[in-house]
Amino acid sequence: GENVEQHPSTLSVQEGDSAVIKCTYSDSASNYFPWYKQELGKRPQLIIDIRSNVGEKKDQRIAVTLNKTAKHFSLHITETQPEDSAVYFCAASKSPWYNQGGKLIFGQGTELSVKP
Amino acid sequence: NAGVTQTPKFRVLKTGQSMTLLCAQDMNHEYMYWYRQDPGMGLRLIHYSVGEGTTAKGEVPDGYNVSRLKKQNFLLGLESAAPSQTSVYFCASSYSKQGAKNIQYFGAGTRLSVL
Repeated sequence: GENVEQHPSTLSVQEGDSAVIKCTYSDSASNYFPWYKQELGKRPQLIIDIRSNVGEKKDQRIAVTLNKTAKHFSLHITETQPEDSAVYFCAASKSPWYNQGGKLIFGQGTELSVKP
Repeated sequence: NAGVTQTPKFRVLKTGQSMTLLCAQDMNHEYMYWYRQDPGMGLRLIHYSVGEGTTAKGEVPDGYNVSRLKKQNFLLGLESAAPSQTSVYFCASSYSKQGAKNIQYFGAGTRLSVL
């Protein structure tokens, strides 16, 4: 079945360093890859996403890259700040997503800790 | 515009008891979802609905039932709670329109403990 593997499960960095979280997916039909951020005790919220026709997307300090051949995608956070501390989830869905009930398959999550 | 609202926020049940979790959204979304979140397991889809009157099974549907009698509401039921159902439950909703982004909007969660 569809599966998304996420690594690492925990990541600790110093403020100002970069953080990279990696995900691999099993279904080659997947074509939409969002990233959600969940702060402690809060709800998950979308922070960035990428479609399979794009190799990279940036939004200020965060970026996502996609390698369709290898079936993996990554989240990059530069100049990390303490407020980046949270659990990050990657996810994947197939096309057309509206015919799939909009289902997302989530990775296991990465707990990022940014130390001042 | 409240978004996605879940009730209750916390609940403690004894094994064998039943309960219903309510999810309400005011964004006129067609699609709604119930997830459970357990440490190290990510968000796992329990059931989902693509419209009023429809429901479908997700990854981990056993022990749960759902109903979508009204477009804005999605109910998750536990008929006979088990300790393995201790978890944080999240409801989410999204648009269904072609060309729109598949962004899921989450509720604040329900923390359920089954003793």
